[in-house]
Amino acid sequence: KAGVTQTPRYLIKTRGQQVTLSCSPISGHRSVSWYQQTPGQGLQFLFEYFSETQRNKGNFPGRFSGRQFSNSRSEMNVSTLELGDSALYLCASSPAGTRQETQYFGPGTRLLVL
Amino acid sequence: SQQGEEDPQALSIQEGENATMNCSYKTSINNLQWYRQNSGRGLVHLILIRSNEREKHSGRLRVTLDTSKKSSSLLITASRAADTASYFCATDENAGNMLTFGGGTRLMVKP
Repeated sequence: KAGVTQTPRYLIKTRGQQVTLSCSPISGHRSVSWYQQTPGQGLQFLFEYFSETQRNKGNFPGRFSGRQFSNSRSEMNVSTLELGDSALYLCASSPAGTRQETQYFGPGTRLLVL
Repeated sequence: SQQGEEDPQALSIQEGENATMNCSYKTSINNLQWYRQNSGRGLVHLILIRSNEREKHSGRLRVTLDTSKKSSSLLITASRAADTASYFCATDENAGNMLTFGGGTRLMVKP
């Protein structure tokens, strides 16, 4: 099976703009989670989607949002970008989104906000 | 927030030596996972150990879990230069599918 894919891989934006990142999970996986990785805060959970519904949400402002489509592909959106949003954004998928499952990560999208 | 703390933060060894990394966490868990990350790329899953397991092996990897001490260790035996990477532990802190990561250990294996 193909792994988790993320597009684009690299992105440069300026403050105030918005950005949309995409994640395609492993075929058959219905849960998609998003994480932000920065040198200062490390890896932090953003949100999880399962069957097109947001099931869990981390401690991030409302500028960060996401959605999931019927084919389990997911997008996350960041509006009104700030310099501090520069990070590696990782998505992960798992079959049913239970705590007993391994989460498989994509290669990430590196976002630079100028 | 990060639940896990990893120790050491950085480790430098020679090829062929063993590398041991430790992870501590704060709350009760169902399982703990270890991941590897090369140069800011995606995370590669290494091993998952459940709370009712004490030790697990996968190739040159050995993971132990001590739930009474809320700690885990990852041992890489006979290390290779290709093992150079950052290693993270992750736990399932709350209900749901959220992983809480430690700060990671940066391992450098010198040829």
